[in-house]
Amino acid sequence: KQEVTQIPAALSVPEGENLVLNCSFTDSAIYNLQWFRQDPGKGLTSLLLIQSSQREQTSGRLNASLDKSSGRSTLYIAASQPGDSATYLCAVTLGTGTASKLTFGTGTRLQVTL
Amino acid sequence: EPEVTQTPSHQVTQMGQEVILRCVPISNHLYFYWYRQILGQKVEFLVSFYNNEISEKSEIFDDQFSVERPDGSNFTLKIRSTKLEDSAMYFCARGLPYGYTFGSGTRLTVV
Repeated sequence: KQEVTQIPAALSVPEGENLVLNCSFTDSAIYNLQWFRQDPGKGLTSLLLIQSSQREQTSGRLNASLDKSSGRSTLYIAASQPGDSATYLCAVTLGTGTASKLTFGTGTRLQVTL
Repeated sequence: EPEVTQTPSHQVTQMGQEVILRCVPISNHLYFYWYRQILGQKVEFLVSFYNNEISEKSEIFDDQFSVERPDGSNFTLKIRSTKLEDSAMYFCARGLPYGYTFGSGTRLTVV
């Protein structure tokens, strides 16, 4: 059974810092990995999708990397801003069809202070 | 890409009552999913729906739950007799091949 773990569970940084969020998964035979942002009481906003054949994806100040063999992904946020404060979730799928469901981590709650 | 819209945003119901959560509008995607998130816990998979049939369901998705696509566009999750532990955020999503897009969720409170 796929297990997804995120470290740290919570993180507080001053504005402007660069930071790294970690995600690990137990079954390395993933199809893709997706990072989401969740604001309190709100839905999930997709940030980045990495296919299993890719090593990284970038969007603005966000960069996600994937090391399938070691079962790890990182989300790098450059020059953090107070508006980045949210919970960040990573999730993996094992394939298409009946293997297409997402397995989520518990998330990292990020607070960026002024 | 079209949004995934869910209604209502918040529903309060009494224990034992039936609730229907709706996901509208839906594009011509083939894969749809329902997930839930109990407060403070992980997002959990409930059921996947492919080509108008259930593709996979989790242990949570017992006989109290059902899904339908009644008119080819709306996608509904029905809970027949709600329990207190059904209180959660319920998310509809469409998926693959470009990743998942989630709706804004319905907060269900069972009292």
